[in-house]
Amino acid sequence: EDKVVQSPLSLVVHEGDTVTLNCSYEVTNFRSLLWYKQEKKAPTFLFMLTSSGIEKKSGRLSSILDKKELFSILNITATQTGDSAVYLCAVGGPLNEKLTFGTGTRLTIIP
Amino acid sequence: DTGVSQDPRHKITKRGQNVTFRCDPISEHNRLYWYRQTLGQGPEFLTYFQNEAQLEKSRLLSDRFSAERPKGSFSTLEIQRTEQGDSAMYLCASTSVLYEQYFGPGTRLTVT
Repeated sequence: EDKVVQSPLSLVVHEGDTVTLNCSYEVTNFRSLLWYKQEKKAPTFLFMLTSSGIEKKSGRLSSILDKKELFSILNITATQTGDSAVYLCAVGGPLNEKLTFGTGTRLTIIP
Repeated sequence: DTGVSQDPRHKITKRGQNVTFRCDPISEHNRLYWYRQTLGQGPEFLTYFQNEAQLEKSRLLSDRFSAERPKGSFSTLEIQRTEQGDSAMYLCASTSVLYEQYFGPGTRLTVT
């Protein structure tokens, strides 16, 4: 059965700090790894990664995938209170038939 | 707003009642997915459609659950004889085949 494990489960930091969130996976047929941000509602899309070693960036957020070691990290620099959320990692198969999610990392930014 | 929409946003029902939720995907997306999310967990896959065809159902989807997408546009998810364990957020997502899934706001179901 496909498995996605995120760490840490929760993280509390001060505004301005840099954080690294981890995601490891075991899946039968891998095509992509996705990061989502979830505040009190539906997950919002951040990144989709399909190739190893290529960093994706969006403002203060960046992510990279290691397909050999089967993990990804999500970095957030200069954190702001608006970054407080649950960050979900998910993996998708070759036909994008479904996503398997981890339990998420709850990030809290203290002003 | 051209995102995924879901209706209702909240539903409170008594155990044993039937409930139906609706999802309207992004108009050009041919794939539509249903997920269920309970507190402290990530979303769990329930089923998905490509156009009107239901291509996969999770074993989580007991025979009390049924989903349809009759004209390949909106979809409905029905739960018959609801149980307290059905209380969860039901999320709908849509995409074109090889791209990221976009989620709707969800329907929060509470079974009393």
